[in-house]
Amino acid sequence: DTEVTQTPKHLVMGMTNKKSLKCEQHMGHRAMYWYKQKAKKPPELMFVYSYEKLSINESVPSRFSPECPNSSLLNLHLHALQPEDSALYLCASSQEPVSEQYFGPGTRLTVT
Amino acid sequence: DAKTTQPPSMDCAEGRAANLPCNHSTISGNEYVYWYRQIHSQGPQYIIHGLKNNETNEMASLIITEDRKSSTLILPHATLRDTAVYYCIAKEDSSASKIIFGSGTRLSIRP
Repeated sequence: DTEVTQTPKHLVMGMTNKKSLKCEQHMGHRAMYWYKQKAKKPPELMFVYSYEKLSINESVPSRFSPECPNSSLLNLHLHALQPEDSALYLCASSQEPVSEQYFGPGTRLTVT
Repeated sequence: DAKTTQPPSMDCAEGRAANLPCNHSTISGNEYVYWYRQIHSQGPQYIIHGLKNNETNEMASLIITEDRKSSTLILPHATLRDTAVYYCIAKEDSSASKIIFGSGTRLSIRP
């Protein structure tokens, strides 16, 4: 299994909703990442987990809450989002934090 | 991490070699050059990386100048499926280092 999977593919949520994005990899990778990508812009790093511990938080607002329950799974919990948070959310993993990253297809989030 | 500079867009005829340039004049000795691409509506895809020597894999070749201030990604026989945004990234080989995507080059392959 050489892929990173993300669910759901699309998500529409209201500003008062709580939802979660899920990312899974079964490649034995020890680092996992969340990126945010707005339309026609490059991806921007949000969080890095290394060996299941949060190692980088790029000053992301607390309405985004990452969680790494185990080495294969990464969640992004969403609460009280704003319409400007609408974007493609990408998950990635790498064998080690220094290695090349493998990306999932993303979750397209719309906040209404 | 060093800043990289790429042309915003390029095009190439199908079947020809696509040569994508990248300038990284402030690259430090421990920074690798990585290339990723992003096909429309998909996640980025790792292509290749290198430090000093030229590298080749099943997808592409990476040519790094001797002074390491620039590099070229070569897709030897471009197909329509190679139409994508290509990102050149300079990244330290450190666990604290992170990928910083620039604007990339939008490569269009014409039939």
